[in-house]
Amino acid sequence: GDSVTQMEGPVTLSEEAFLTINCTYTATGYPSLFWYVQYPGEGLQLLLKATKADDKGSNKGFEATYRKETTSFHLEKGSVQVSDSAVYFCALRGAGTASKLTFGTGTRLQVTL
Amino acid sequence: ETGVTQSPTHLIKTRGQQVTLRCSSQSGHNTVSWYQQALGQGPQFIFQYYREEENGRGNFPPRFSGLQFPNYSSELNVNALELDDSALYLCASSPGGTSGDWMSDTQYFGPGTRLTVL
Repeated sequence: GDSVTQMEGPVTLSEEAFLTINCTYTATGYPSLFWYVQYPGEGLQLLLKATKADDKGSNKGFEATYRKETTSFHLEKGSVQVSDSAVYFCALRGAGTASKLTFGTGTRLQVTL
Repeated sequence: ETGVTQSPTHLIKTRGQQVTLRCSSQSGHNTVSWYQQALGQGPQFIFQYYREEENGRGNFPPRFSGLQFPNYSSELNVNALELDDSALYLCASSPGGTSGDWMSDTQYFGPGTRLTVL
């Protein structure tokens, strides 16, 4: 079945550092890929998405590129802020599975001054 | 535009009891999905409703059941609660088939209901 693997956290960075959170997936066909963010005590917010190979999703300085050849969708940001501290989830929706999302286990990011 | 809302925020039940969680979809959305998020884990898909019909189900037992109403609000019912049912329950709504494109259909999540089973 479909699965998502994320790098384990927590990830601790200083403000203005470069961020990469790795995400790889297993799915048949061509899934859609998503990054969601969860701030403390809140639900999930969609950060960005890509629906086909080589698409780049971007939002709020975050980017991720859908790489079919490496089955990856790594999240990057050039300069993190303290306000980016949260848990980040990579997710996929497999082809033909309506709107069911399969999530990774999440990566906690802590940004310090 | 009102986002996805859920009630109650927190709930404490004892083993064997039954619980009903409620979700109000975002305006214009006809699809609702429910997820269970255990502490420290990613959300797990429970089921989805599209225009009041179940449209997919994850690996959860039949004691997890749902309803979607004509106004597209939804309920999640869990019978015979077990300790392992303690989790954050998330509801997500999406435009679904209305957009004609399931692959780019985006789910918008509510804040969740924290259920504790003692």
